Amino acid sequence: GAVVSQHPSRVICKSGTSVKIECRSLDFQATTMFWYRQFPKQSLMLMATSNEGSKATYEQGVEKDKFLINHASLTLSTLTVTSAHPEDSSFYICSARPPEEGNGYTFGSGTRLTVV
Amino acid sequence: LAKTTQPISMDSYEGQEVNITCSHNNIATNDYITWYQQFPSQGPRFIIQGYKTKVTNEVASLFIPADRKSSTLSLPRVSLSDTAVYYCLVGGNNQGGKLIFGQGTELSVKP
Repeated sequence: GAVVSQHPSRVICKSGTSVKIECRSLDFQATTMFWYRQFPKQSLMLMATSNEGSKATYEQGVEKDKFLINHASLTLSTLTVTSAHPEDSSFYICSARPPEEGNGYTFGSGTRLTVV
Repeated sequence: LAKTTQPISMDSYEGQEVNITCSHNNIATNDYITWYQQFPSQGPRFIIQGYKTKVTNEVASLFIPADRKSSTLSLPRVSLSDTAVYYCLVGGNNQGGKLIFGQGTELSVKP
């Protein structure tokens, strides 16, 4: 089936630095990808919609200058957490929708970000 | 986007059938109902999707009544490995493709 690969699976960074997370659709093209954030014991919260070749659409309350999204090709979207702070520590997950009908969305395995 | 309501948690024992019901009173005509499973520190995994009546695959069954205001995910003969959070989502292609997650149901399967 369709696979979405996310890298890295976990990362630790210092406060004030930036971290880039990659999301790739391995066997299908995705003009749209989605980025979620999940805190412990909570549900997934949609952060933004990544659109290939155009600007991302951010959900209300999500700072676009802090969470930079780039969707430069039909198989790759990146999320950069800029000037990270400890409160940005979370589980970040991307997803995309394969072209086959009825199969729902495919999610990446997630990235555990810890800011120290 | 239609809001969903699920039980926060459920307990079961190995070998039992588990039914998780989701309410979605404001479901729109072109909305599909989709269920996902999530294990700790992993991304959600698609389980099943339906529009009306009953859908069955190798993993689960999905029952949807005629009014479509609720749906029930049925997991036959659960095992310990089915311990996870299960999310019910409703949506259609006309909503920009966004998936909005509700709180989910934390299923705990005991030996």
